[in-house]
Amino acid sequence: GESVGLHLPTLSVQEGDNSIINCAYSNSASDYFIWYKQESGKGPQFIIDIRSNMDKRQGQRVTVLLNKTVKHLSLQIAATQPGDSAVYFCAELEGANNLFFGTGTRLTVIP
Amino acid sequence: DGGITQSPKYLFRKEGQNVTLSCEQNLNHDAMYWYRQDPGQGLRLIYYSQIVNDFQKGDIAEGYSVSREKKESFPLTVTSAQKNPTAFYLCASSLRDRVYQPQHFGDGTRLSIL
Repeated sequence: GESVGLHLPTLSVQEGDNSIINCAYSNSASDYFIWYKQESGKGPQFIIDIRSNMDKRQGQRVTVLLNKTVKHLSLQIAATQPGDSAVYFCAELEGANNLFFGTGTRLTVIP
Repeated sequence: DGGITQSPKYLFRKEGQNVTLSCEQNLNHDAMYWYRQDPGQGLRLIYYSQIVNDFQKGDIAEGYSVSREKKESFPLTVTSAQKNPTAFYLCASSLRDRVYQPQHFGDGTRLSIL
């Protein structure tokens, strides 16, 4: 089947810097993507989503960029805080309700 | 507050035993899902249900069973046929009548073998 993957399994950033987490997808027919944050021992928490008819979407301190040409998705976190430390997953929607998840990137914020 | 409640948080299974994981939601969502998460990996879909009394197999349904008798409840049974059940199990739900809707997750049940 199609796969969703991440370029880097770990990312360390200084507090206050911006973070960029990348994700590659292989199903060119996917038209909906979601970023989740998962803290240790908890379920994934929705951060932001984007449809394929958009290139960019902004939320509070987060921005998702979608490059359909190279099938690449990124999550930018502005002014990273210690509370942002977690594993971040991208997911692509296939069909009506089937989400396929990448393996995740662990973000560590250094105080 | 609305949300998804999974119980228990930790569960232990003996050899040859079936165990049932509970998932309840009060979000009035139509669709519910069960995922399995192994260490350092993403989530894999076990079963999903889009309406009451209907459910479909996901990618790794073997050794698992579900029921959907009520809209708010979607219990998962890990049967003795599942030979490697140790994992973190996550339940999710979403609206069904709008396609581009994120799934919302509970805080999981961690299942271990005794």
